[in-house]
Amino acid sequence: EVQLVESGGGLVQPGRSLRLSCTASGFTFGDYAMSWVRQAPGKGLEWVGFIRSNSYGGTAEYAASVKGRFTISRDDSKSIAYLQMNSLKTEDTAVFYCTRGPYRGNYAYWGQGTLVTVSS
Amino acid sequence: EIVLTQSPGTLSLSPGERATLSCRASQSVSSTYLAWYQQKPGQAPRLLIYGASSRATGIPDRFSGSGSGTDFTLTISRLEPEDFAVYYCQQYGSSPPITFGQGTRLEIK
Repeated sequence: EVQLVESGGGLVQPGRSLRLSCTASGFTFGDYAMSWVRQAPGKGLEWVGFIRSNSYGGTAEYAASVKGRFTISRDDSKSIAYLQMNSLKTEDTAVFYCTRGPYRGNYAYWGQGTLVTVSS
Repeated sequence: EIVLTQSPGTLSLSPGERATLSCRASQSVSSTYLAWYQQKPGQAPRLLIYGASSRATGIPDRFSGSGSGTDFTLTISRLEPEDFAVYYCQQYGSSPPITFGQGTRLEIK
């Protein structure tokens, strides 16, 4: 069974940093791209970025709203994907979901989400 | 950037009725890369439809997707009480590679 478990969320002050982790199980982690999608309170889904599998270069893509501040990385030996968030803003407050893929352009597996609150 | 616009914003229907949700893209989207999700309060999104018209694993056949180019539709043939939720369309393309629609809230009338 595919499982994705996010951790690392919490309350952080504006301008500070936070790192989220996504621990995966139930599939060969290294074979898949991994993504982060966020949802501000009461709002819709916003794609944050993804990291390709190492077979496809292990490179990452980001949404314009986070490019230069957020970095996605992966440790295939531990089956963990990371989201390093720097220079956080109040508008980054959201539930952050880890997802497997995109695979064939979509996301069939999602974690339960972790809440990040950016506030002074 | 491909913008996906969903309509209506809110749809009020009764159980047993047919629901038709629209997703319009600002540029042509490959049907291969158009998906629909359902999200209930406090839960992660669930993949319903991929490739514009293929049901994901375990999705009941009352859910169907159609469309091509810039116009896509999610249809729920006969609404069950558990179908009242928010629905999102999503496309995979280029720069940025992933965008979501703003969502359609399906509520009980």
